[in-house]
Amino acid sequence: NAGVTQTPKFQVLKTGQSMTLQCAQDMNHNSMYWYRQDPGMGLRLIYYSASEGTTDKGEVPNGYNVSRLNKREFSLRLESAAPSQTSVYFCASTIFYEQYFGPGTRLTVT
Amino acid sequence: KQEVTQIPAALSVPEGENLVLNCSFTDSAIYNLQWFRQDPGKGLTSLLLIQSSQREQTSGRLNASLDKSSGRSTLYIAASQPGDSATYLCAVIRNRDDKIIFGKGTRLHILP
Repeated sequence: NAGVTQTPKFQVLKTGQSMTLQCAQDMNHNSMYWYRQDPGMGLRLIYYSASEGTTDKGEVPNGYNVSRLNKREFSLRLESAAPSQTSVYFCASTIFYEQYFGPGTRLTVT
Repeated sequence: KQEVTQIPAALSVPEGENLVLNCSFTDSAIYNLQWFRQDPGKGLTSLLLIQSSQREQTSGRLNASLDKSSGRSTLYIAASQPGDSATYLCAVIRNRDDKIIFGKGTRLHILP
């Protein structure tokens, strides 16, 4: 049981480049989430998916898109990266309202 | 708007002491409250989950309490050890939209 996995672990992008952060869980959870964590700002919700085929905006969705490919996978896409998107990104899944987190992706946009 | 506040933001205590971390929330209509631990450069590890109908949960040296009426939770750590040094975060899930709201955490440093 791998839990929640994220790829890549580290990424450096130039302004304007695009990329997709991948997240997968093998716990058969319905709900999945994407957060970003910044110093002094805490964890902020970007998007979440209550079930396969549904997605909803969180607190800071601008500049991001998501795709719930199937029950296991929830990806986060940056279409045109900006320096303000430099952050650590966490994926989480939830069962009975208990959250399980992935190890994170550290993204730097120069 | 649901807000979650953790006080203090940072705490240093000598090894062996018992300590209390605080978490307060403005909206008592929550499903549960969850405490996490985060080591530097790592993800979040769940420590304790308290359902809204429960008053406390215990795991080893950790005890978490929940008082919904006053909008407070405490995490009690007994006989602290240097390995307890980490950032501790609390999060609530609110009833009306299943949104999860995090506090900004308490950075704990246990002095050997």
